[in-house]
Amino acid sequence: TQLLEQSPQFLSIQEGENLTVYCNSSSVFSSLQWYRQEPGEGPVLLVTVVTGGEVKKLKRLTFQFGDARKDSSLHITAAQPGDTGLYLCAGATMGAAGNKLTFGGGTRVLVKP
Amino acid sequence: DAGVTQSPTHLIKTRGQQVTLRCSPKSGHDTVSWYQQALGQGPQFIFQYYEEEERQRGNFPDRFSGHQFPNYSSELNVNALLLGDSALYLCASSSTPSLYEQYFGPGTRLTVT
Repeated sequence: TQLLEQSPQFLSIQEGENLTVYCNSSSVFSSLQWYRQEPGEGPVLLVTVVTGGEVKKLKRLTFQFGDARKDSSLHITAAQPGDTGLYLCAGATMGAAGNKLTFGGGTRVLVKP
Repeated sequence: DAGVTQSPTHLIKTRGQQVTLRCSPKSGHDTVSWYQQALGQGPQFIFQYYEEEERQRGNFPDRFSGHQFPNYSSELNVNALLLGDSALYLCASSSTPSLYEQYFGPGTRLTVT
């Protein structure tokens, strides 16, 4: 069974501070995705990383895929209240018959003004 | 351009009953995946449909079944409902089975009493 562990489970910070969320697994994934989910809504895709060692930046968000494609991190610089939400990482595995996505348990981020 | 839509929004059922949830994919998408998200947890992959066939399945019992129609819309059926089936059921669509870029619907909140 492939598992993705996210840490921390909960993070509360002040506006303007930086934060990092980690996503770790013992399994190799063909790609890793980060989502943000707000209450009452479905997850919204933020980024997909594919290559080991890859770094992607999306405004104040920086995503990194580990060299071995087993772990990833999300770093937010100068967090704003609008960054509040549940952050989910998900690893994709390709099978002969189809593909599936394994999600981590999520990190709930609260940015206080 | 409508995104992924799901119906109904909320549903209350009794143990032992059967339920059908519906999903219409984003325009241009032909692959639909279903997920179960228990309160406070990340989504768990149920199965994926492509070309009207189930292509990949997660660790869910046969009580969970699905269907995809020629217009790419999909249904999720759950028989013999258990209290533990209470969750948010999410549908996601993509333009290929690779899951590289998925768009999620808002989900159906199922409560089993």
